[in-house]
Amino acid sequence: NAGVTQTPKFQVLKTGQSMTLQCAQDMNHEYMSWYRQDPGMGLRLIHYSVGAGITDQGEVPNGYNVSRSTTEDFPLRLLSAAPSQTSVYFCASSYSGLGNTIYFGEGSWLTVV
Amino acid sequence: DAKTTQPTSMDCAEGRAANLPCNHSTISGNEYVYWYRQIHSQGPQYIIHGLKNNETNEMASLIITEDRKSSTLILPHATLRDTAVYYCIVRALIQGAQKLVFGQGTRLTINP
Repeated sequence: NAGVTQTPKFQVLKTGQSMTLQCAQDMNHEYMSWYRQDPGMGLRLIHYSVGAGITDQGEVPNGYNVSRSTTEDFPLRLLSAAPSQTSVYFCASSYSGLGNTIYFGEGSWLTVV
Repeated sequence: DAKTTQPTSMDCAEGRAANLPCNHSTISGNEYVYWYRQIHSQGPQYIIHGLKNNETNEMASLIITEDRKSSTLILPHATLRDTAVYYCIVRALIQGAQKLVFGQGTRLTINP
């Protein structure tokens, strides 16, 4: 998973709190995305970006905001945390084009109590 | 949306070839098939990908049927460290933007 860095790795939030999960890549990738993975489930797309200044919604965008002010960074913001957002979050990046390798970060474990 | 279907679980003996099937019958002509695996709750690890032709790298081989509606990932000599959840993914263009469409994955257990 070289090149995609997520912080923090672990976080506990109280219901209603806000926070930002950070994602950075140093490979000059245009395409970045955020996924969540609930226990025993596959990954579901939250938001994605095809380049700086361009973002769009995935399958499960409610409760999350993103921005892409630089090529390197793609933060995910939880506006008002809810227990249903307890999950593992993965950031991914790649060059544009359907045939390029997609790199994932190591994940951020979020618990909302 | 292009979707993938995989068996929920499979077992394989250590040292034997593990063959993991995937159906992607709605795949479009320019959409790639990717395979990733996830060990425990680590980040997904890239294995291999392909469009039409069979592919091989140091980790695995990917066999894609001529009609592209299904594929098989082959781990030629499975080891205990290959125990993981394996995801077959179609990288699709949906409404003009590329998305990864994950299925539920196959939990592969390598037995000694």
